[in-house]
Amino acid sequence: DAKTTQPPSMDCAEGRAANLPCNHSTISGNEYVYWYRQIHSQGPQYIIHGLKNNETNEMASLIITEDRKSSTLILPHATLRDTAVYYCIVRAGGTSYGKLTFGQGTILTVHP
Amino acid sequence: DAGVTQSPTHLIKTRGQQVTLRCSPKSGHDTVSWYQQALGQGPQFIFQYYEEEERQRGNFPDRFSGHQFPNYSSELNVNALLLGDSALYLCASSLGGPNSPLHFGNGTRLTVT
Repeated sequence: DAKTTQPPSMDCAEGRAANLPCNHSTISGNEYVYWYRQIHSQGPQYIIHGLKNNETNEMASLIITEDRKSSTLILPHATLRDTAVYYCIVRAGGTSYGKLTFGQGTILTVHP
Repeated sequence: DAGVTQSPTHLIKTRGQQVTLRCSPKSGHDTVSWYQQALGQGPQFIFQYYEEEERQRGNFPDRFSGHQFPNYSSELNVNALLLGDSALYLCASSLGGPNSPLHFGNGTRLTVT
């Protein structure tokens, strides 16, 4: 599985955009980039995923660079409830797609 | 539409005992995966079930076993419990394929004393 590198922590002011970076320089052509977040004592929550193109849903936007070696998760208007650990995951294709490899993630703290 | 449900939410067991954890997948999902999350760590993949068969397995000993039923629900069994098995056990369900997101339950907190 491709490894990911994320900053251990980030801060964001409430109402501002939160931009969370992720490096995945060894990603293969058939591997997807997934983002999850986990609030204390809850299971990970799916946010968004993509292969090559930028993606947007009701929660966030995902920007993937053209060479696919890095990506950015954007929360457009962060709220206090967005405080969580954010995991960037490269998901294998082929027959190994069942396994998600979680790293340490980024602790995002949204402050008033 | 119910999401992934797990039972029980909390459990306390003694070293050497056996435990069974249960998971009902999100409606329409046919694939179930199990993860172990130790305190302060990210979740670690245990195994995945599809069509009642173990399809993929992580680096966990044979003490960890599972089962998937015809209705797609699943059980995780752990034998000969060790203190180090204390963790949050997470179940996730999905449709097949890498383009189908996994949806997680809120887990079972297992404490081994």
